[in-house]
Amino acid sequence: AQTVTQSQPEMSVQEAETVTLSCTYDTSESDYYLFWYKQPPSRQMILVIRQEAYKQQNATENRFSVNFQKAAKSFSLKISDSQLGDAAMYFCAYSSLIQGAQKLVFGQGTRLTINP
Amino acid sequence: NAGVMQNPRHLVRRRGQEARLRCSPMKGHSHVYWYRQLPEEGLKFMVYLQKENIIDESGMPKERFSAEFPKEGPSILRIQQVVRGDSAAYFCASSATWGTPEKLFFGSGTQLSVL
Repeated sequence: AQTVTQSQPEMSVQEAETVTLSCTYDTSESDYYLFWYKQPPSRQMILVIRQEAYKQQNATENRFSVNFQKAAKSFSLKISDSQLGDAAMYFCAYSSLIQGAQKLVFGQGTRLTINP
Repeated sequence: NAGVMQNPRHLVRRRGQEARLRCSPMKGHSHVYWYRQLPEEGLKFMVYLQKENIIDESGMPKERFSAEFPKEGPSILRIQQVVRGDSAAYFCASSATWGTPEKLFFGSGTQLSVL
């Protein structure tokens, strides 16, 4: 079974600085998706960024980018120019093309605090 | 176009009662997924339904839990004889097609508290 591990329960960063959230996963499959979701206090799950495993180029969405290391099974999220609105729980997630791309396996989450 | 609607937002039940959680998918979506989030944990997959069919219930507890998605009306997650360990946030997600994870939309969840 696939597993996703986020080893940082909490992280904090000064406003306008850069922070990196770590994620590792375990799978025997070669084709899959990886995601970062943001969960603010409202509980809404918001998709931040997505990476297809077959793509070597790291995904980027504005201030959010990932460092995808397939061999190391690592998928970190970098947030540049941190803003107060970035404060939230961040979840790394995996999905398998074989088992159903929308059947997500989530990590335990990292609580990100932004210091003004 | 309204998003995925879940109600109630908060539900309080006493041990032994039944809990019914409702999910109305986005308009045009016929695929519904239920996830459970225990305190301080990530979401865990419970069940995947299409209209009138349960496709994958590999994450559902074997007893007391059931789900349906009728031809008309919302999807229902039903928990019978609730226990304190059922206290969690239950999320519904929907999609128009299977196999396109970027097109998965989540509701805001129902927080179930069992006294």
